Amino acid sequence: QQQVKQSPQSLIVQKGGISIINCAYENTAFDYFPWYQQFPGKGPALLIAIRPDVSEKKEGRFTISFNKSAKQFSLHIMDSQPGDSATYFCAASVKAGNMLTFGGGTRLMVKP
Amino acid sequence: KAGVTQTPRYLIKTRGQQVTLSCSPISGHRSVSWYQQTPGQGLQFLFEYFSETQRNKGNFPGRFSGRQFSNSRSEMNVSTLELGDSALYLCASSLGGFNNSPLHFGNGTRLTVT
Repeated sequence: QQQVKQSPQSLIVQKGGISIINCAYENTAFDYFPWYQQFPGKGPALLIAIRPDVSEKKEGRFTISFNKSAKQFSLHIMDSQPGDSATYFCAASVKAGNMLTFGGGTRLMVKP
Repeated sequence: KAGVTQTPRYLIKTRGQQVTLSCSPISGHRSVSWYQQTPGQGLQFLFEYFSETQRNKGNFPGRFSGRQFSNSRSEMNVSTLELGDSALYLCASSLGGFNNSPLHFGNGTRLTVT
């Protein structure tokens, strides 16, 4: 059972545009929602994370929006750059431990 | 600080063999987690060790096992390899508290089973 559903699977955005990736979860016990960025040949790297007591969190060009009632959260990348081209994963976990449930990933391509 | 180090980077094994992968966490990190990444199943949690004890376990068969040493270094072992075990195996370390301290991933070990 896939507990975190991510869309779209792939995304092409022009340089300077906004990239939006969406995730939906089922387990209401989840209370930590990180986003990871992965480049080819590298492990995932933490971008930004949010907890359900906050509806939005911004770090630089990256913003997470969180809708607890809808059980959805999304990543917005403002002013997208070619260097942002990578695969992005949303994830979720419960409070104890580090057992992350990942979404299926979104391959982002930013065209110059 | 040095990042999470995984060895070897690449490994080719034959079906039925066993394999051991190694992970050195970031200095000071006490939790080590292992994940399997495949094109079909994505990133899946294998297990987590904290202070030499398995704290969480994912839904994988008993052929997959791990351990953690007193210096927090960890190994995972896969016995009786199957073709479907071909994957990128990722290790991640964190401080390990119960407040979801950030996971820092290594660059993985690419295992190919022939």
